[in-house]
Amino acid sequence: AQKITQTQPGMFVQEKEAVTLDCTYDTSDPSYGLFWYKQPSSGEMIFLIYQGSYDQQNATEGRYSLNFQKARKSANLVISASQLGDSAMYFCAMRGVSGGSYIPTFGRGTSLIVHP
Amino acid sequence: DARVTQTPRHKVTEMGQEVTMRCQPILGHNTVFWYRQTMMQGLELLAYFRNRAPLDDSGMPKDRFSAEMPDATLATLKIQPSEPRDSAVYFCASGLGSITGGDPEAFFGQGTRLTVV
Repeated sequence: AQKITQTQPGMFVQEKEAVTLDCTYDTSDPSYGLFWYKQPSSGEMIFLIYQGSYDQQNATEGRYSLNFQKARKSANLVISASQLGDSAMYFCAMRGVSGGSYIPTFGRGTSLIVHP
Repeated sequence: DARVTQTPRHKVTEMGQEVTMRCQPILGHNTVFWYRQTMMQGLELLAYFRNRAPLDDSGMPKDRFSAEMPDATLATLKIQPSEPRDSAVYFCASGLGSITGGDPEAFFGQGTRLTVV
């Protein structure tokens, strides 16, 4: 079974500063993937970034980067130059293995508020 | 712009009534998930399908919930009879992910906000 832990229920950051959202995971599967999603107040789930367990380099997508530390089983999301529109819930998720496909398991989320 | 479409967006119903939620996955996606989101439990996987076959519905209360994919363009989640504790946002997501390749992420619909009174 897979488990995702997000220990920060809420985070605050000043506009234009960087912020790190923590995510630790547990799995016995040798092959897995880690995801981050953003859920703004409108409710939709927006995919941000993906990191595969065998990827040699940390994933980056624009202002988002994933600080993947396999030995520590952590996959923290770093948002650089925060913007007011970054205020949202952020979910870390893990791809499991079942029937050759994947079952994303989600953490409880971190609420990020960006102050002007 | 391909997207997952869920209907209805909002549903208010009385306890005991049947509720059917529909999802149109992104064309070509072979995996469909149903999630339920509540404040107390967060995001819970209810069911998932691969190539229209149900692979896992262990997270779904079997006595009242059922999930089907009558064809590749439609997934349904039915609750009969509905109860107030079923009030939640229900998300459908589709993807192409597999261990051997394909885009790994799941794309979510906008959700159905269900209120059972």
